[in-house]
Amino acid sequence: DQQVKQNSPSLSVQEGRISILNCDYTNSMFDYFLWYKKYPAEGPTFLISISSIKDKNEDGRFTVFLNKSAKHLSLHIVPSQPGDSAVYFCAASNQGGSEKLVFGKGTKLTVNP
Amino acid sequence: NAGVTQTPKFRVLKTGQSMTLLCAQDMNHEYMYWYRQDPGMGLRLIHYSVGEGTTAKGEVPDGYNVSRLKKQNFLLGLESAAPSQTSVYFCAIHSLREAEETQYFGPGTRLLVL
Repeated sequence: DQQVKQNSPSLSVQEGRISILNCDYTNSMFDYFLWYKKYPAEGPTFLISISSIKDKNEDGRFTVFLNKSAKHLSLHIVPSQPGDSAVYFCAASNQGGSEKLVFGKGTKLTVNP
Repeated sequence: NAGVTQTPKFRVLKTGQSMTLLCAQDMNHEYMYWYRQDPGMGLRLIHYSVGEGTTAKGEVPDGYNVSRLKKQNFLLGLESAAPSQTSVYFCAIHSLREAEETQYFGPGTRLLVL
């Protein structure tokens, strides 16, 4: 049973436009959510996180939105840059922190110049 | 990344061979993890450790063993490798840094089992 779902395996966006990556979860006990970015042949790198007590967290070009009633979160990248092309993983935890994470399968973002 | 190193970077094994993957951290983190990443499958937790001398099973522990004899090192062992264990293996540590709590990952070990 997949608790964290990223239903779009891939997304293609023009440089300068907004990229929106989506993530759905089924476990209502999840209370901490993270996004990671992964380039080929490298380990995942942490991007941004959000606690369930918030509905939005912003860091530069990256904003994560959390809709608890819909069990949905999204990552917005504005403006998108070619260097943002990577696989993005959504992760969730039910322990208030990141000690034990459940990952989605990832979405491959391609930003075209 | 965050002082997490993995050895080796790449390895080819024959079915039935054994090997050990080493993860080392240069800080004092309690929690360490081993994940595998397969195409279209995301990251799946194999085993983890909450401190020196402790280990626990994750989502896909079968075929693997782990040890955490020293706090800095977390070893992942394959006693008898199978082609299904062909994957990229990532080690991670749990960290609270600059008020951000997350896991930091090593660069990965690519394993091919023939």
